[in-house]
Amino acid sequence: LAKTTQPISMDSYEGQEVNITCSHNNIATNDYITWYQQFPSQGPRFIIQGYKTKVTNEVASLFIPADRKSSTLSLPRVSLSDTAVYYCLVEDGRTNAGKSTFGDGTTLTVKP
Amino acid sequence: GAVVSQHPSWVICKSGTSVKIECRSLDFQATTMFWYRQFPKQSLMLMATSNEGSKATYEQGVEKDKFLINHASLTLSTLTVTSAHPEDSSFYICSARRQSNQPQHFGDGTRLSIL
Repeated sequence: LAKTTQPISMDSYEGQEVNITCSHNNIATNDYITWYQQFPSQGPRFIIQGYKTKVTNEVASLFIPADRKSSTLSLPRVSLSDTAVYYCLVEDGRTNAGKSTFGDGTTLTVKP
Repeated sequence: GAVVSQHPSWVICKSGTSVKIECRSLDFQATTMFWYRQFPKQSLMLMATSNEGSKATYEQGVEKDKFLINHASLTLSTLTVTSAHPEDSSFYICSARRQSNQPQHFGDGTRLSIL
């Protein structure tokens, strides 16, 4: 399964747009990309998922270039409550392939 | 929505006790459930993957006889930590997934403290 690399930490200010990039150079044809958010002492929460190009939902956008070797999570106008750890996960989309491996995640700190 | 309920949220028990943690998908059927372990300030570590009606697949280094996983239905998986010891103290998190090309949905975790 593709190993992911993210920045360890990022700082931002309220109201700014934040972009977190994840590298997954060994991504396979059947793999798709999912981003999760985790607050302390809670389970991760699903943010967005994509396979290629751009995906947008009510909370974020996900940009995936044509070679799919990286992906960028974009959070528009962050607030203090967006301070959390963000994980990029590459998962095998084949039936019952199952396995997923979390990387180290990016700790985002939003300042007032 | 996709809600996963995990119980208990925290448990404190004596060394040598067995502890069972339940993971339920409340509003969807999960073909696959995952169990993770997380230490403070660290990422999630996958312990095992279970498909309904099949034996769980354990990650390397995870003792099958220590961490018993039962996935008896499409909405319930249980993790039993047998004869728990202080080194088993950790944050255990489950997740459930409808299909292989869909995201995981996580429970809120169980804080296990063994005295």
